[in-house]
Amino acid sequence: SQKIEQNSEALNIQEGKTATLTCNYTNYSPAYLQWYRQDPGRGPVFLLLIRENEKEKRKERLKVTFDTTLKQSLFHITASQPADSATYLCALGDDKIIFGKGTRLHILP
Amino acid sequence: DADVTQTPRNRITKTGKRIMLECSQTKGHDRMYWYRQDPGLGLRLIYYSFDVKDINKGEISDGYSVSRQAQAKFSLSLESAIPNQTALYFCATQSGGADYGYTFGSGTRLTVV
Repeated sequence: SQKIEQNSEALNIQEGKTATLTCNYTNYSPAYLQWYRQDPGRGPVFLLLIRENEKEKRKERLKVTFDTTLKQSLFHITASQPADSATYLCALGDDKIIFGKGTRLHILP
Repeated sequence: DADVTQTPRNRITKTGKRIMLECSQTKGHDRMYWYRQDPGLGLRLIYYSFDVKDINKGEISDGYSVSRQAQAKFSLSLESAIPNQTALYFCATQSGGADYGYTFGSGTRLTVV
């Protein structure tokens, strides 16, 4: 069955450094991969979408890579800030998407 | 006003009761989805609809039903609530293209006692 894996352990990063989160998937060849941010008790917020024929996508301090051979996406936040602390979800799919369980990111001041 | 509005925000109900969670959107999107989120299990798809006449089961539809009353409204019902349906429920919408992100509501926290 389709499976998405994100690091279940929280990631602690010093303010100003680059945070890198990983998303691995199996038994799937998605046309799109998405990243969302979720704050406690709130709905996920869409951040970025990358297509299978795109290697990299950027939006302000965010960068996403998509390696369909490795079946992996990396999500980077550069010049991280305490306000970037949240859970980040990876999602895959076409007509309906499935979500990873998310990685909690803590940016330490 | 929020693009995707869910009501109620919080609800406590008793085992065996019927309960309806409502979702309305002002995005004009055709596609609507219901997910539940549980600690350690992430978001799981319950039902989805691509237009008013289209209803599809997700991975965990047992014990739930839905109604798409209009393009803007998609409600989720628990016919006879049970304690393991205690969870955070989210409604989401998407424009017609698969290459657009979802817009989520703020969620309904449901507790079944």
